[in-house]
Amino acid sequence: DAGVIQSPRHEVTEMGQEVTLRCKPISGHNSLFWYRQTMMRGLELLIYFNNNVPIDDSGMPEDRFSAKMPNASFSTLKIQPSEPRDSAVYFCASSPGGAYGYTFGSGTRLTVV
Amino acid sequence: TQLLEQSPQFLSIQEGENLTVYCNSSSVFSSLQWYRQEPGEGPVLLVTVVTGGEVKKLKRLTFQFGDARKDSSLHITAAQPGDTGLYLCAGTSGTYKYIFGTGTRLKVLA
Repeated sequence: DAGVIQSPRHEVTEMGQEVTLRCKPISGHNSLFWYRQTMMRGLELLIYFNNNVPIDDSGMPEDRFSAKMPNASFSTLKIQPSEPRDSAVYFCASSPGGAYGYTFGSGTRLTVV
Repeated sequence: TQLLEQSPQFLSIQEGENLTVYCNSSSVFSSLQWYRQEPGEGPVLLVTVVTGGEVKKLKRLTFQFGDARKDSSLHITAAQPGDTGLYLCAGTSGTYKYIFGTGTRLKVLA
């Protein structure tokens, strides 16, 4: 298995632009998570999907952030409009659930200038 | 709110030395995991512990879950440069949501 695949690896955009991050989870994993990592705040859970349905989006910072999972093999995280404070590494992770751990993707490093 | 504090935050040691990093909380967790993250990559799961007092070994790494399931430790014997990375603990109270600790950044010098 290729693991969790995220794209792009790096994204540099101007303030106010729309940014879309993509994730392909591991086949058969029914849980998908989007995390954001910064030096100041560490790893923060943004949203959790189970069987393609958003279960907990309490970590989404504000209405500028949205996430979708149209099918079991694809998810997107969109920021519109982007702001410099959104600069961070965004990780997607999937899990078969229960006490099994997460498999993380390699992340997308987002820089908003 | 569950919080997981890790100590030390930073650790720089020579190859061959032993070290222990700690993960502490005031909350009880039903399971706790340890991850290692290398620069430019996502965290990679090392181990899951679920029983109070449980000890698990992974080569030179020894993981222990506290008796009260509020804390955990990771001990590395004879550290090697390949052990360099960010070590994260993550705990859950039984739901899908794992809370990640603040991390310990380890550097092992050759």
